[in-house]
Order: sequence, then structure tokens, then C-alpha cells
Amino acid sequence: AQRVTQPEKLLSVFKGAPVELKCNYSYSGSPELFWYVQYSRQRLQLLLRHISRESIKGFTADLNKGETSFHLKKPFAQEEDSAMYYCALGTLGGGADGLTFGKGTHLIIQP
Amino acid sequence: KAGVTQTPRYLIKTRGQQVTLSCSPISGHRSVSWYQQTPGQGLQFLFEYFSETQRNKGNFPGRFSGRQFSNSRSEMNVSTLELGDSALYLCASSSGSLNTEAFFGQGTRLTVV
Repeated sequence: AQRVTQPEKLLSVFKGAPVELKCNYSYSGSPELFWYVQYSRQRLQLLLRHISRESIKGFTADLNKGETSFHLKKPFAQEEDSAMYYCALGTLGGGADGLTFGKGTHLIIQP
Repeated sequence: KAGVTQTPRYLIKTRGQQVTLSCSPISGHRSVSWYQQTPGQGLQFLFEYFSETQRNKGNFPGRFSGRQFSNSRSEMNVSTLELGDSALYLCASSSGSLNTEAFFGQGTRLTVV
């Protein structure tokens, strides 16, 4: 069965500092990786997906199949980045487990 | 475009009762998925419906069931409620193509007492 691990429950960095939220996955097939974000009092929403290879709000994430990782990075954190971040794994071919989510990392950007 | 709507937002039920939650997807979306979110287990996939058929199912007991109507609206039912069923239940809709973006509702907060 697939698994997603986000080792940090809480990550606190100062404004302007680089941010890296870690995500490791376990899946024997070809993965589809996502980062979802939940800002305070808002619903869960897609931040980015690996297949798009795009930068959203300054965030990027590279899929490293060798290390089975999909870390989320931003070079200069901003206060509005404070939120819960969830890494999620989808399985190509319509696997029976839907999206498998990590337990999330609460990112706090200090002024 | 209206977002995913879940009703009710809050529910309090007694152990042993049953409950039905409702989800209206984004117009045009044919896939509806349900997730349970708890502090201990995080977000866990319950099931997915596509064109009125259950397409995928997570690892939950048979007390958890769902259905989808012809207008893509979906309901989730939990029978014989247990204290451990207290959670935030999230519904997500998508176009239905594999691994496309899921749009989430605000959730229904279920408390079992």
C-alpha cells in the first residue's frame, strides 16, 4: 500500500528565509504527487502538482524518484505563506486508494 | 463558478444512530470523493463515485457507505455511529480524469456523543 510521510508537524521560519517542507512517499508504481494547502479558515486547495512543473506563489517541488521525495521549496518565505501544507500521492491507473495524504506540516512564518 | 458545497456544516449525533451527509460538486464535475479527517489519522480516503458508480474504495468498515445521483450530487451515510467516527468529513469533486485537481468542500464536522 502507498504511504506519504511528512516528518515535520510544525515548521517555523522567519520572513525572508528559505523554506523546505519535506515529503517522502512509498509506492511501487508510477506516482502522481501533489501539494495541497489550507490557509486559516479556508478550504483545502491544490498548490501544485509535479506533472505541471510550475511554480505557484514562488513554491516549487521536484519529484525525486530515486529518493522517493517531493519536497516543497520556496527561496524567500512570506508571512502569507503561513498555512497547513499536505503532500498527497495519487496512483496512475486509478488506484483504489484515491489520494493518499501525509499528515501535514503547519508552516509558521514569523515576521 | 460555485464551489463544492457540503451540508450540514455541523452535526451532533448519539452513539448507535446513523447520519447522512450531503455534497454538491462543482457543476460539470462527475467525480466525488469523500475523506475523513481526524487529528490522529489525518486525511483518509473513504470512497469515490463517478457517474453514479463507486469507482474506488478506501479501507473503512461497511458502516460507511455512499451513493451518487444523476446530477452528480453525493451522499455519505454512516450507520451505527461510534465515538471514533467523530471527525471532519470532506468531500472533493473533480472532472473524473485520473489524478486531476480535486476541489474540496468546507467539510461537515460530525461529533458523536
